[in-house]
Amino acid sequence: GAGVSQSPSNKVTEKGKDVELRCDPISGHTALYWYRQSLGQGLEFLIYFQGNSAPDKSGLPSDRFSAERTGESVSTLTIQRTQQEDSAVYLCASSLQGVSYEQYFGPGTRLTVT
Amino acid sequence: GENVEQHPSTLSVQEGDSAVIKCTYSDSASNYFPWYKQELGKRPQLIIDIRSNVGEKKDQRIAVTLNKTAKHFSLHITETQPEDSAVYFCAASLRGGATNKLIFGTGTLLAVQP
Repeated sequence: GAGVSQSPSNKVTEKGKDVELRCDPISGHTALYWYRQSLGQGLEFLIYFQGNSAPDKSGLPSDRFSAERTGESVSTLTIQRTQQEDSAVYLCASSLQGVSYEQYFGPGTRLTVT
Repeated sequence: GENVEQHPSTLSVQEGDSAVIKCTYSDSASNYFPWYKQELGKRPQLIIDIRSNVGEKKDQRIAVTLNKTAKHFSLHITETQPEDSAVYFCAASLRGGATNKLIFGTGTLLAVQP
């Protein structure tokens, strides 16, 4: 079946602009995660959704970052007033909570803030 | 919170040799330890995982060992092949916890020389 998809694959934006990143999880996966991967670094947890609620937002680096999820489907990560340090690859993952905890990753969105 | 350290950051081996990557974690409550392989420009993919009630797990040329007392776990790849070249990430998580978020190490770039 279809895996996790993300769009856009690449996004270049000017400092100060807002951006929206989209994640389509695997159908039926109730859990959805956002991670950030900076150049040469590991993956940094941002936020977790169970259904459309977000019980863990502890990784969001500032109040410029927000995310929402529609039901058990699409999620959008929004970064307001982007800064150069926001440049990274943003990865989304989903899992079938309670059955298997394996997290399946999407291809990521490479964000470049100029 | 959980912190995962990973060593070495780079590893170069000759084809056919073994490769070992080591990780340590800080939170004794963590009970799930996956390893992800990320090829250049690709998404991370799970290659093997281990739960805290198991000391060792093997899958063909790949094995993972866990020492709960010392809070460290290792990935062992035998008979390395050029296609094993990639970045490998270890991670720790509390399965059944509030989020099951993954805390990642900083990655090991493995280069297998033909």
